[in-house]
Amino acid sequence: GAVVSQHPSRVICKSGTSVKIECRSLDFQATTMFWYRQFPKQSLMLMATSNEGSKATYEQGVEKDKFLINHASLTLSTLTVTSAHPEDSSFYICSAAPSRTYNSPLHFGNGTRLTVT
Amino acid sequence: KNQVEQSPQSLIILEGKNCTLQCNYTVSPFSNLRWYKQDTGRGPVSLTIMTFSENTKSNGRYTATLDADTKQSSLHITASQLSDSASYICVVSEEGNMLTFGGGTRLMVKP
Repeated sequence: GAVVSQHPSRVICKSGTSVKIECRSLDFQATTMFWYRQFPKQSLMLMATSNEGSKATYEQGVEKDKFLINHASLTLSTLTVTSAHPEDSSFYICSAAPSRTYNSPLHFGNGTRLTVT
Repeated sequence: KNQVEQSPQSLIILEGKNCTLQCNYTVSPFSNLRWYKQDTGRGPVSLTIMTFSENTKSNGRYTATLDADTKQSSLHITASQLSDSASYICVVSEEGNMLTFGGGTRLMVKP
């Protein structure tokens, strides 16, 4: 079945540094990838929609200069958390769809646990 | 505003018992409804996806129903197992692939 690989699975960084998270679709081309944030015991919150070759679309309240998204190829999207602060500590998950059809299956990565100290 | 409400927020059942999780939505125009299972610390895994014309869909011991008129869906788990302990998330898609996530139901299956 379709697989979405997310890396790293866990990262600890110091306040003020930047962290890059990769999301790869391993056996299909993903024209669209989504990035989510999840706090403990809460559901996923969509942060942004990443379209290959164009700028990402950010949800209201998400700082685009802080959460840089690059979707340079049909199999790779990256999320960079810039100048991370402890409040950025969270579980970040990506998802990808093989196509833009309305019932296209959505495959999720296994998430990245970010801890900012 | 599109909303997806799930109930209960949490549920504890004994191994072997059945349970039903609810999802009510106000998303319009409706495209499809998906149920996902999310183990702690992992990404969600798809269980079912239903379009407007589908009333029920099964995936092993998981059976999802959809009433598009009342905008309600349920996920029924039969003969629960310890491995069913997870969060179950209802996601409703409107035309154009805009997704709205429910808050999830945290299920714990005890021996």
